Order: sequence, then structure tokens, then C-alpha cells
Amino acid sequence: EVQLLESGGGLVQPGGSLRLSCAASGLTFRSYPMSWVRQAPGKGLEWVSGISTSSDITVYAESVKGRFTISRDNSNNTLYLQMNSLRAEDTAVYYCAKYKGSAMASAYMDVWGKGTTVTVSS
Amino acid sequence: EIVLTQSPATLSLSPGEGATLSCRASQSVSSYLAWYQQNPGQAPRLLIYDASNRATGIPARFSGSGFGTDFTLTISSLEPEDFAVYYCQQRSNWPPTFGGGTKVEIK
Repeated sequence: EVQLLESGGGLVQPGGSLRLSCAASGLTFRSYPMSWVRQAPGKGLEWVSGISTSSDITVYAESVKGRFTISRDNSNNTLYLQMNSLRAEDTAVYYCAKYKGSAMASAYMDVWGKGTTVTVSS
Repeated sequence: EIVLTQSPATLSLSPGEGATLSCRASQSVSSYLAWYQQNPGQAPRLLIYDASNRATGIPARFSGSGFGTDFTLTISSLEPEDFAVYYCQQRSNWPPTFGGGTKVEIK
């Protein structure tokens, strides 16, 4: 069974940092682009960032560009999101998601983790 | 950035009834549109991709149609587990964007 398990969420003060992790199992992790999608409390979905299979391409939403960094470790089947200079508006559930296809252009997400909650508040 | 507008915001229906959900794009996305279902407290699930292709394991009562700027998700006969929030998403242009969602609730 394909599984994605996020961790690393929590309460952080404005201006602080957090690093999210997503452990993948049951799939050939290195074969798929991956992404982070977030959902603010009571709101809709917002794509945050994506990374290619070999990490040569990383893309970000304008709202997080320059503050967040996506990375992956294919040897350990793990995806990361380093979040710096956090703001109250970054408060959300953060989902790790696998792209359906093998190319960055195939930006449909067909496997999702259960999410990890990030709260930015003083 | 392409804006996706979903309507209606809420749809109140009874089990067994059919549902029609709409998604309109601010510019053409060709057929590069997907639909997701999200139940309370759960992660989204991919239902339809490329406007009309059902994802693996999705029941045949779910169907998608449309091209360009106007898309429809149809649920032929609502089962109890179908009462959820549905989102459309485009991958035609970067960044990928989602619609605001349609909640299908029990009448």
C-alpha cells in the first residue's frame, strides 16, 4: 500500500522556522515528482511547492517564494519542506502529495498524506 | 495565475439524487483539469483527471466533462459517502491552482 506520512508540524512564533518531513512507502519514490499543498483552517486547498524526481527543478507559490525550500532524499524516501520567516497566514494543514505522472507537468496529485498542522502564533 | 470559480458553493441533495458541479476557469486550461473529493478531517482524493478520466478505484457514478473554460463533475446517484467538499484543479499553467470548492450536503 502506498503511504505518505507527514511530521514536523507544531506551534511556532511569527518569524520562526519549521521543517516538515514526509516519509514515503509502498512506491518507487525516486520516480515521481512530489509536492506540498496546504489548507488554512476552514479554507480551500493551496498548492505550495513542487520538486522534480532528481531535485533539479523546484517551484514555489508566490506566497512562499524566498521563505520556503522544498527538498527530497531519494535514498531515504523522504520529502522535506523548510519553512522560514513564518507568518500567521502560513497557519494551515500541510499535505505531502505525489504527482500522478513522472514529469513535473503532470501536476495532478493522486496520493496524499494525512497532513501535519502548522500554527503560527505568538 | 488562472482563477477557478466553482458553483454552487453549496448543493443540498438527498441520497439517490444526482449532482452537477461546475468549475469555470479564467482562461482556457484545455482539458488539464482535475476533480478532488475531501471528506471532513481527511485528505483530498483524486477523482477525475484530464477533465474526464476517472482515477484508479473511482466508482463509475462519478464522471467529468468539459474543455477550455467550462467543466462539470456529475455524480449520477449520491451515496452517503459522497456528501463531501469537491475541488477542481488546473495544471495547464504554473502555478497549479484550485477552485474554492463546492460542498455537497445532505438535504
